Amino acid sequence: NAGVTQTPKFQVLKTGQSMTLQCAQDMNHEYMSWYRQDPGMGLRLIHYSVGAGITDQGEVPNGYNVSRSTTEDFPLRLLSAAPSQTSVYFCASSPTTGKNTEAFFGQGTRLTVV
Amino acid sequence: AQSVSQHNHHVILSEAASLELGCNYSYGGTVNLFWYVQYPGQHLQLLLKYFSGDPLVKGIKGFEAEFIKSKFSFNLRKPSVQWSDTAEYFCAVSAMEYGNKLVFGAGTILRVKS
Repeated sequence: NAGVTQTPKFQVLKTGQSMTLQCAQDMNHEYMSWYRQDPGMGLRLIHYSVGAGITDQGEVPNGYNVSRSTTEDFPLRLLSAAPSQTSVYFCASSPTTGKNTEAFFGQGTRLTVV
Repeated sequence: AQSVSQHNHHVILSEAASLELGCNYSYGGTVNLFWYVQYPGQHLQLLLKYFSGDPLVKGIKGFEAEFIKSKFSFNLRKPSVQWSDTAEYFCAVSAMEYGNKLVFGAGTILRVKS
């Protein structure tokens, strides 16, 4: 019963470094998304995908890339980390893009950029 | 675009006090409504959801929420809070017209004093 699995749980990066946050789900969900959580701002959508091979930008996409080569995996790439990307990142999945769907969240990745 | 407004960022209550957290959303069409809870150090968990039907929705742990369409509101209530309800609470909205993307409010941090 893994659900949505994110790795790593914690990461410290230096400014300018790149890294990939991993997200995998085993529920055969079509829809996957990445959010960042910052104090007093709730969760903001970074990128999302409605199925393998299809991705789109959310509210705050700058500085992040995604790809969706399989239904299960939806990695988030930081190309050149900046201190403004210090945040907690959550991956979520839901069954379809249709009505009456709820999102299931991973445990989160706490990223610090120094 | 959709937006979600949560009225209070911090709420402090004593045990056994009643709780009401306000949530208003901006979109006038058909919406799905959610309340998520995040306990300290944990990921988001679904408290309750509204898709259609009875506007009074009951969730886990004694929480309920009422959808009032004319007021664009989905307030969360609990008659008697416990110390273990200390957490951050997020209201979220999705709509098919916006690809069912979840839009979150800024969150309300609830602290229950024992």
